[in-house]
Amino acid sequence: DSGVTQTPKHLITATGQRVTLRCSPRSGDLSVYWYQQSLDQGLQFLIQYYNGEERAKGNILERFSAQQFPDLHSELNLSSLELGDSALYFCASSVSTAPNEKLFFGSGTQLSVL
Amino acid sequence: DAKTTQPNSMESNEEEPVHLPCNHSTISGTDYIHWYRQLPSQGPEYVIHGLTSNVNNRMASLAIAEDRKSSTLILHRATLRDAAVYYCILRAPGNTPLVFGKGTRLSVIA
Repeated sequence: DSGVTQTPKHLITATGQRVTLRCSPRSGDLSVYWYQQSLDQGLQFLIQYYNGEERAKGNILERFSAQQFPDLHSELNLSSLELGDSALYFCASSVSTAPNEKLFFGSGTQLSVL
Repeated sequence: DAKTTQPNSMESNEEEPVHLPCNHSTISGTDYIHWYRQLPSQGPEYVIHGLTSNVNNRMASLAIAEDRKSSTLILHRATLRDAAVYYCILRAPGNTPLVFGKGTRLSVIA
């Protein structure tokens, strides 16, 4: 158990809909990262937050948004869903953004868009 | 981002040592070398990291070449539970996330 909690574990929805994925970081971790993993694209970095502020952005679509709340949990919002958004979404956390910090990953949310 | 090159796949016999290579010829002096692995149906898991010196922990050893242009992850006795995709990643200072490549898929044969 990494200590990072992601909910829900599975989500099935239809095209055009909007969903919210939730992540609770390990106790004491201030930084949260979101990743998308699909069969053809591998693990893609989406976005990173540190103590409520966005710190780095990757290949995140404009239809996707995220935030980190004062209690440090984070949410990833996916809207106008398309079939191609079906993927595993991972959240990770770390104490800081230092390059020698370990990241701890949750077990992921499996999103299926039908 | 500095790039890493790993073999697509490797195979090992159970209880034998495994040496997983990684080339990173464009590494800069402040880049840390990280290794993560992803077991089937799980999130990535930290294995080990280092800067210049070799590192050991309970999971593995990391051997870093003197010029830092390559490194090797060593699993001392492979078990069936070590079958996973292993990722070698460089992480620079600043707000740089971990950027995963394709990794090496390790198969362990009983």
